[in-house]
Amino acid sequence: KNEVEQSPQNLTAQEGEFITINCSYSVGISALHWLQQHPGGGIVSLFMLSSGKKKHGRLIATINIQEKHSSLHITASHPRDSAVYICALAGENKLVFGAGTILRVKS
Amino acid sequence: GAGVSQSPSNKVTEKGKDVELRCDPISGHTALYWYRQSLGQGLEFLIYFQGNSAPDKSGLPSDRFSAERTGGSVSTLTIQRTQQEDSAVYLCASSPRTGLNTEAFFGQGTRLTVV
Repeated sequence: KNEVEQSPQNLTAQEGEFITINCSYSVGISALHWLQQHPGGGIVSLFMLSSGKKKHGRLIATINIQEKHSSLHITASHPRDSAVYICALAGENKLVFGAGTILRVKS
Repeated sequence: GAGVSQSPSNKVTEKGKDVELRCDPISGHTALYWYRQSLGQGLEFLIYFQGNSAPDKSGLPSDRFSAERTGGSVSTLTIQRTQQEDSAVYLCASSPRTGLNTEAFFGQGTRLTVV
């Protein structure tokens, strides 16, 4: 069983919809990252969080350490949000990545 | 520099040849990481540098893979006698310090194709 499980694997939404991507993990951590990867592009760090909730523009990330679960929400989604969203656990010397969620937002 | 820079951005090489991939981390960043993303697969850890030393190289898939870092800055990942299964995007990331709660900054990656 992978240490990090993301769902859904693929998500298609209409512009304006509220989107939720989930990440569950099986090991104790002190921090979790949400990353964004555009097609052919590099990876951008969206959030690093260890408790509670963070918000940046239309993006919101939450984490529940006790339940070993994190969510990434996108409000008022837009086609430019189309990308792969990856959650990653912060280990001692490296990140352990989920498989990613491929998001496509249609106009 | 302003961000993590990797070169080349794309590399096509013949099977059996050696390749070198370069990573210029953000100036002053102590920690440097190499990751690999194969087609249709997730990201996997290769090696981690703290300064010039590599405390964790557990992710290197074979002895054909090696990496070094000099001056606490630039890192080079070398793949000898490349194989087709080495085709992937190789990503470098740097962090201002080591530790669990440190943000990582990623480069654009080098897309390696072995033909």
